[in-house]
Amino acid sequence: NAGVTQTPKFRILKIGQSMTLQCAQDMNHNYMYWYRQDPGMGLKLIYYSVGAGITDKGEVPNGYNVSRSTTEDFPLRLELAAPSQTSVYFCASSYEFSYGYTFGSGTRLTVV
Amino acid sequence: DQQVKQNSPSLSVQEGRISILNCDYTNSMFDYFLWYKKYPAEGPTFLISISSIKDKNEDGRFTVFLNKSAKHLSLHIVPSQPGDSAVYFCAANDQTGANNLFFGTGTRLTVIP
Repeated sequence: NAGVTQTPKFRILKIGQSMTLQCAQDMNHNYMYWYRQDPGMGLKLIYYSVGAGITDKGEVPNGYNVSRSTTEDFPLRLELAAPSQTSVYFCASSYEFSYGYTFGSGTRLTVV
Repeated sequence: DQQVKQNSPSLSVQEGRISILNCDYTNSMFDYFLWYKKYPAEGPTFLISISSIKDKNEDGRFTVFLNKSAKHLSLHIVPSQPGDSAVYFCAANDQTGANNLFFGTGTRLTVIP
């Protein structure tokens, strides 16, 4: 009964490095999302996916890439990390047109 | 451009009293609204929701009120308990496309024992 699992929980990157944030869900949800939360701000949508093989941009996609090769996994790739990408990243999933999301516990990323 | 706004960053309430958290939205296409609760170092968890065809939805100590003409909703917690201390996010969507949610900036509720 894991729900949405995110790894790692914390990470420090140097400017220009790359990394992948992992997200997996075991609820057979079609829809998956990546959000970022900056201090004092709401959650902003980065990318989303409505099913395996289908992804689309959200409000703040620049500097990120995603893939969705399976229903369960939705990794978020950061290329050439910048200080502006310092944030807490949340992955979420939902059943199609369901009443809400199930969130993971977040990844706190610092770019120095 | 923030389509969902929570203008009060924080709220303190005595235990046993009512907590009222407010939320405003600008997009008239929004027709489904949700409240999420977030503890430190955890992801948000779903609390309660309301469809635009209703003006009130109640679940135990939690009640959400929707005023569509004012584009305003509120969450009432009665009675407030110390365990309710958390950040509360209002969210909205138009239930089309990818079920994307738009979130407010959150209100930190502190319930004082």
